[in-house]
Amino acid sequence: QAQLVQSGGEVKKPGGSVKVSCEASGYTFTKYGLSWVRKAPGQGLVWMGWVIPHNGNTKYAQKFQERVTMTTDTSTSTAYMELRSLTADDTAVYYCARDHYDFSTGYRMDVWGQGTAVTVSS
Amino acid sequence: DVQMTQSPSTLSASVGDRVSITCRASQSITDWLAWYQQKPGQAPKLLIYKASTLESGVPSRFSGSGSGTEFTLTIDSLQPDDSATYYCQQYNSYSGLTFGGGTKVEIK
Repeated sequence: QAQLVQSGGEVKKPGGSVKVSCEASGYTFTKYGLSWVRKAPGQGLVWMGWVIPHNGNTKYAQKFQERVTMTTDTSTSTAYMELRSLTADDTAVYYCARDHYDFSTGYRMDVWGQGTAVTVSS
Repeated sequence: DVQMTQSPSTLSASVGDRVSITCRASQSITDWLAWYQQKPGQAPKLLIYKASTLESGVPSRFSGSGSGTEFTLTIDSLQPDDSATYYCQQYNSYSGLTFGGGTKVEIK
């Protein structure tokens, strides 16, 4: 069964950076993309971007374009999301999710990680 | 970028009621729309994709409809376990993904 397991919660200081990992199992890692989504307290879901493991291509949401980097390690079936220049507004739960894309059946995020809580506080 | 507007933002209904949530896109997205359910402390769960296709294992009381710019998620016979926040999401190969603002469904 496909599964995504994320790294543990983090506490960071403003101006710092955080790197969250997402290890995939139960499916061929290079056959699907991976998106990162965050949910801040009291707010809705926000898509941050995606990474394509088989070629490393990325697309980032404009809001995060200048301070996010998404990478993958195909040898360990692990994806990473690094966010820099942290502020209190980046306090949120960060999720990875498998991008299931098929031209005939559409797009969906069908497998989700358990979430990683990131707290930014001085 | 495609903007997604969900309504209502909150909804209170009784067990057994039929409830509907609307999602409007700022431009046509044909049927590239998915719906998710999120409960507090949990990851989102896929309910519907391609506007109306029910994800495997999701109860049949959930259904989706619409195309172009207007979409609806309907829950027939609301159950206590359906108390959650629901999000629509659009996909565009050029601009990426966008979620709606969410609809919190409460059971009276």
